[in-house]
Amino acid sequence: TQLLEQSPQFLSIQEGENLTVYCNSSSVFSSLQWYRQEPGEGPVLLVTVVTGGEVKKLKRLTFQFGDARKDSSLHITAAQPGDTGLYLCARADAGGTSYGKLTFGQGTILTVHP
Amino acid sequence: GAGVSQSPRYKVAKRGQDVALRCDPISGHVSLFWYQQALGQGPEFLTYFQNEAQLDKSGLPSDRFFAERPEGSVSTLKIQRTQQEDSAVYLCASSLTDSVNSPLHFGNGTRLTVT
Repeated sequence: TQLLEQSPQFLSIQEGENLTVYCNSSSVFSSLQWYRQEPGEGPVLLVTVVTGGEVKKLKRLTFQFGDARKDSSLHITAAQPGDTGLYLCARADAGGTSYGKLTFGQGTILTVHP
Repeated sequence: GAGVSQSPRYKVAKRGQDVALRCDPISGHVSLFWYQQALGQGPEFLTYFQNEAQLDKSGLPSDRFFAERPEGSVSTLKIQRTQQEDSAVYLCASSLTDSVNSPLHFGNGTRLTVT
């Protein structure tokens, strides 16, 4: 099993602070996805990164794919209470049967206090 | 349009009972996936269908788990003789095609509690 390690596991911050969540693997992956999941709901795709060194921005969220394609980070600027949720990174299994057969990290639970 | 719909939202079963979980994917989506998510963890892959064909069932934990998608649309995940360790949220996801550019759309899951 090619594991994805996410850190930190828990993050509790005040509104307006910045934060970074990390996703690491011991092996290269061809693409990586970031999801956000709220309680009682399914994960929602935020972004897919494919190219080493790639940086994508989604409003206050910045996603980076490491040059060696073994790691990725999610940076949130000026966090808001609405950002609260479980953030998951996921990769498609190498040589897998489907692009949708994903291996997820264990997630980072983010709480943003007003 | 409607998203992926799962039913029931909550299911409580006594140990040893059989359960059936239903997934209605987005209309026209070829690929359908089942995932299992334990409390505080990321989802884990169970099985994958392309239309009515089950192409990968490598994630099913035991032969008590069975999934079908007979007409290439609605899918059912059946768990026989439920055990306490089966307690989890079962997520269904669909995608239009099977490509890196075709995102997964997840339903809100069925929370199964085995007592």
